[in-house]
Amino acid sequence: DTEVTQTPKHLVMGMTNKKSLKCEQHMGHRAMYWYKQKAKKPPELMFVYSYEKLSINESVPSRFSPECPNSSLLNLHLHALQPEDSALYLCASSQDLWGYYEQYFGPGTRLTVT
Amino acid sequence: DAKTTQPPSMDCAEGRAANLPCNHSTISGNEYVYWYRQIHSQGPQYIIHGLKNNETNEMASLIITEDRKSSTLILPHATLRDTAVYYCIVRGYLSGGYNKLIFGAGTRLAVHP
Repeated sequence: DTEVTQTPKHLVMGMTNKKSLKCEQHMGHRAMYWYKQKAKKPPELMFVYSYEKLSINESVPSRFSPECPNSSLLNLHLHALQPEDSALYLCASSQDLWGYYEQYFGPGTRLTVT
Repeated sequence: DAKTTQPPSMDCAEGRAANLPCNHSTISGNEYVYWYRQIHSQGPQYIIHGLKNNETNEMASLIITEDRKSSTLILPHATLRDTAVYYCIVRGYLSGGYNKLIFGAGTRLAVHP
């Protein structure tokens, strides 16, 4: 199974809402990633988890809060977002953090902030 | 800080080979070249990667020039399902020695009947 699943597929939220995005993989990968992709732009890295610990935060605003409850799950908690945070949020996983193995991406959650 | 340069768009006839170029003139000796593609409304999909030698897998071939300053991704028999944005990526570095993928703007490949 080389699949990364993400839920929900679409999410519309107001600026005062709290919501969460979920990502799951069962490939035994110990590195997991969150990316943000604005329309017609390439993906940009947000967070990296290694062995369930946050390894890298690419200067992401605190209104985005990642969580890795176990080795298969990755969550992204959202609070007080702005309309400019509307984007496709992609989750990925890989066997390692050093880039020798490819990253597997999920289909993404399309987020709209109203 | 994209480290790669790709043409913004290309066309290819179905059944013909699609040759997608990428310039990475500032690549350093231990950096790999990766290719991913993103079909509309899906997550990126890994295609192939290489360091110095040419590489081939079931999806594509990767030709890297001897000076490593450019490469070409070859889809030998393009189909309509290969219509996508193709990203040529050179690994960047994060603190702690970790690597990250730095996506450039990519090439939008349109395969037509």
